Amino acid sequence: ETGVTQSPTHLIKTRGQQVTLRCSSQSGHNTVSWYQQALGQGPQFIFQYYREEENGRGNFPPRFSGLQFPNYSSELNVNALELDDSALYLCASSPAGTSGRKTQYFGPGTRLLVL
Amino acid sequence: GDSVTQMEGPVTLSEEAFLTINCTYTATGYPSLFWYVQYPGEGLQLLLKATKADDKGSNKGFEATYRKETTSFHLEKGSVQVSDSAVYFCALYNNAGNMLTFGGGTRLMVKP
Repeated sequence: ETGVTQSPTHLIKTRGQQVTLRCSSQSGHNTVSWYQQALGQGPQFIFQYYREEENGRGNFPPRFSGLQFPNYSSELNVNALELDDSALYLCASSPAGTSGRKTQYFGPGTRLLVL
Repeated sequence: GDSVTQMEGPVTLSEEAFLTINCTYTATGYPSLFWYVQYPGEGLQLLLKATKADDKGSNKGFEATYRKETTSFHLEKGSVQVSDSAVYFCALYNNAGNMLTFGGGTRLMVKP
């Protein structure tokens, strides 16, 4: 059984650019959540996708957007990058159902550096 | 809103010592509680969970009991190993927000 995978592993961008991060969910999982983890801190919830629609959003501006595809994979897009966007971006998938959705399994993350 | 508070680290122990990492939470309703572990340069691994009051989660020698009366979910292990050195995160899931809320993490360092 393949776990959650993310690409790329590392990325360097400059301020003002746009970036797309990708996530493939674990087999049998239909819900994907994204988190931002700044250095030395706990992850912060960005948003969750279920059945290709946003299903909850944290306190992040609209320049953070996402997509979920029919195969349950997902993208996180960030426009107009700022220096403070430098962080580890974590994707997590969870099984179907209200109960299953509580338990989230994380990928290895994409480390983004904004210069 | 929901919040999770963990003891600040680093926690430094000798191999085979007893481990406790404190975690308390504030939440509306009846959240599910989790411990995740993060090794250097990696993502988060689910360590254990508990979904209702008085449940005990356990895995790889680690245990934590969901105490609703004290709003706590302390992580314990009877005998730590060098390989347990990592950052440990306590988290809660509240259905209202469809999200995990994490504590700030506690770094554990185990010396031989």
